[in-house]
Amino acid sequence: QQQVKQSPQSLIVQKGGISIINCAYENTAFDYFPWYQQFPGKGPALLIAIRPDVSEKKEGRFTISFNKSAKQFSLHIMDSQPGDSATYFCAARGGLTLVFGKGTRLSVIA
Amino acid sequence: DTGVSQDPRHKITKRGQNVTFRCDPISEHNRLYWYRQTLGQGPEFLTYFQNEAQLEKSRLLSDRFSAERPKGSFSTLEIQRTEQGDSAMYLCASSFSTGTGNEKLFFGSGTQLSVL
Repeated sequence: QQQVKQSPQSLIVQKGGISIINCAYENTAFDYFPWYQQFPGKGPALLIAIRPDVSEKKEGRFTISFNKSAKQFSLHIMDSQPGDSATYFCAARGGLTLVFGKGTRLSVIA
Repeated sequence: DTGVSQDPRHKITKRGQNVTFRCDPISEHNRLYWYRQTLGQGPEFLTYFQNEAQLEKSRLLSDRFSAERPKGSFSTLEIQRTEQGDSAMYLCASSFSTGTGNEKLFFGSGTQLSVL
């Protein structure tokens, strides 16, 4: 399956700032793009997801921006809080399985 | 809804030994997935069940790996003749297919395998 490329690998943001994580994909057959949040010792938890016929989706402080022509999508975390410190994974669905990016470790500092 | 449960949480074994992990999905979920996650990487797909039928297997799943889901309920993942390269977090996920394409995967906390 095609890879999903995620950047940056790590991110440090001040409390109250905006965290931005980017992903790019190659396979145009991908039809569903979720973001997962993972805390140490836990499994990934679904945060927010988008389908390619929508350019933006917002849920609370979390927003996905989707650029179908560029084959890129990004996660924006507004008003970042120390409790948001975790590893974030973008993913893309091909068929019935998810392909994950390598993750971004976010640290929100006070 | 008690979530996806995995057992054991940690397993340490010697190279060459067999290990078996168990996953109990959310009760009404008809799909069950196994993923593997190594340090600093995202989860990698291993295999997938629709009810009791194993419908897809990754090339990552060598002949030493076998998964079952009897009666479409819990699932087991067995690794025979473990190798040090098998050391990873093994994650189970489940979902309920609604046919809309918006199914949500719920992951368990995983089984951390260390092969010495």
